[in-house]
Amino acid sequence: GQQVMQIPQYQHVQEGEDFTTYCNSSTTLSNIQWYKQRPGGHPVFLIQLVKSGEVKKQKRLTFQFGEAKKNSSLHITATQTTDVGTYFCAGLSNFNKFYFGSGTKLNVKP
Amino acid sequence: GAGVSQSPSNKVTEKGKDVELRCDPISGHTALYWYRQSLGQGLEFLIYFQGNSAPDKSGLPSDRFSAERTGGSVSTLTIQRTQQEDSAVYLCASSLVGLTAGDTQYFGPGTRLTVL
Repeated sequence: GQQVMQIPQYQHVQEGEDFTTYCNSSTTLSNIQWYKQRPGGHPVFLIQLVKSGEVKKQKRLTFQFGEAKKNSSLHITATQTTDVGTYFCAGLSNFNKFYFGSGTKLNVKP
Repeated sequence: GAGVSQSPSNKVTEKGKDVELRCDPISGHTALYWYRQSLGQGLEFLIYFQGNSAPDKSGLPSDRFSAERTGGSVSTLTIQRTQQEDSAVYLCASSLVGLTAGDTQYFGPGTRLTVL
C-alpha cells in the first residue's frame, strides 16, 4: 500500500555541519508537509510544498519537492543546537490519504 | 487564541480497563485527526473527521478502538479492554478545512497512555 519512507532514521552532527533528511513516496503526492517535533513536544508545522520541483527556504532550512512529486528533502545549513528534534514529512496522496514518514531524529553536538 | 487541548495529559490504567481520551480542537476548525505515537516512533494515523462527513476510520488498529465527535467540535477516543501494546502517546490535531492542499494541522500536546 501507500507508504512514505523517510531516511535516515537518526543523524548526529557537530554544530555547524549541514543536515539533510529525505522523504520518498511510492505514489504521486498532491502535496507534502514538513513538521518538527522537539523532544517531549508535539509536531509543529514547518512548511507545505505543492508544485512539482518547488523549492522553499526558511532561513537556514531549504525544502524541495521532486519533479515527479514523489520525493522531498529538508536541508539545514550550519546546524545549531536549537535544531535538535525529529523532523517528519507528511504526504497527501491523490486519494486524500495522509501519511506521515517515520521521522528523522537529529542530534546536534555543541 | 487557544490551541488544541487534550485531556488527560497522562493516563495510567490496568490491562483490560476502558479509557477515554478527549480532544478540544481549535474553534472553527472543521477537521479533526487522531494519531498514535509509540516511544521513539513516527505518527500512526488512526481516524479523521471532516465536517458532517462519515469519519475515515481506516487507521483504527482494532475494533477495541472507536472515536466520536459531538457537535462537530470535541472528540473522544475510546479504547476498550486496553492491552499493554496500546501504551503510547495519543495525539489529536485539527485543521481549518481538511485534507486538501493548503491545510495545516495543529497538534495538541497529546495524552500519554500507559497500560500496566
